[in-house]
Amino acid sequence: EVQLVESGGGLVQPGGSLRLSCAASGFIFTTCAMNWVRQAPGKGLEWVSTVSYSGDNTYYADSVKGRFTISRDNSKNTLYLQMNSLRVEDTAVYYCGRTLHFDYWGQGTLVTVSS
Amino acid sequence: DVVMTQSPLSLPVTLGQPASISCRSSQSLVYSDGNTYLNWFQQRPGQSPRRLIYKVSNRDSGVPDRFSGSGSGTDFTLKISRVEAEDVGVYYCMQATQWPRTFGQGTKVEIK
Repeated sequence: EVQLVESGGGLVQPGGSLRLSCAASGFIFTTCAMNWVRQAPGKGLEWVSTVSYSGDNTYYADSVKGRFTISRDNSKNTLYLQMNSLRVEDTAVYYCGRTLHFDYWGQGTLVTVSS
Repeated sequence: DVVMTQSPLSLPVTLGQPASISCRSSQSLVYSDGNTYLNWFQQRPGQSPRRLIYKVSNRDSGVPDRFSGSGSGTDFTLKISRVEAEDVGVYYCMQATQWPRTFGQGTKVEIK
């Protein structure tokens, strides 16, 4: 059974940093591109970032480019999102999703940016 | 960026009746390999999104056959042949043809 479990969310002040993790199991992690998608409270879905199966290629939404870094550790079957210079508008539930076509999603982790 | 426009944004439906959601893209979603990477997702209240349909019309495993997807180029539709209570939620289209990936605004399906 495919499982994606996000962690690392919490309350952080504007300008602060946070690192999210997504632990994957039930499939061959090293063969799948992985993604982060977020959803602000009461709002729709917004794609954030994608990393290729090898980690060599990364893609970012303009809204996070230069502040967020996606990475993966294939030896640990884990996806990461390093979030720096956080803004109030980054407040959202962050989901990890599998493959370029988002066939499985995790349960999400809430990030709140507030003073 | 490819803009995805859904309509309607709110869809009250009677149990057992059909429902239809439109999704239009600002550019063609046909990729250079000939495939059209248009997905549909369902998000039930309090849950994570779940993919229902990929590449326009392919149902994911476990998705009831009352859900169907159709369309081509820039014009796509998700249909529910007979709405059931468990279908309540928000439905999103998403294109995975171009970067950045983009979602529609979402269509809220509720029971009348």
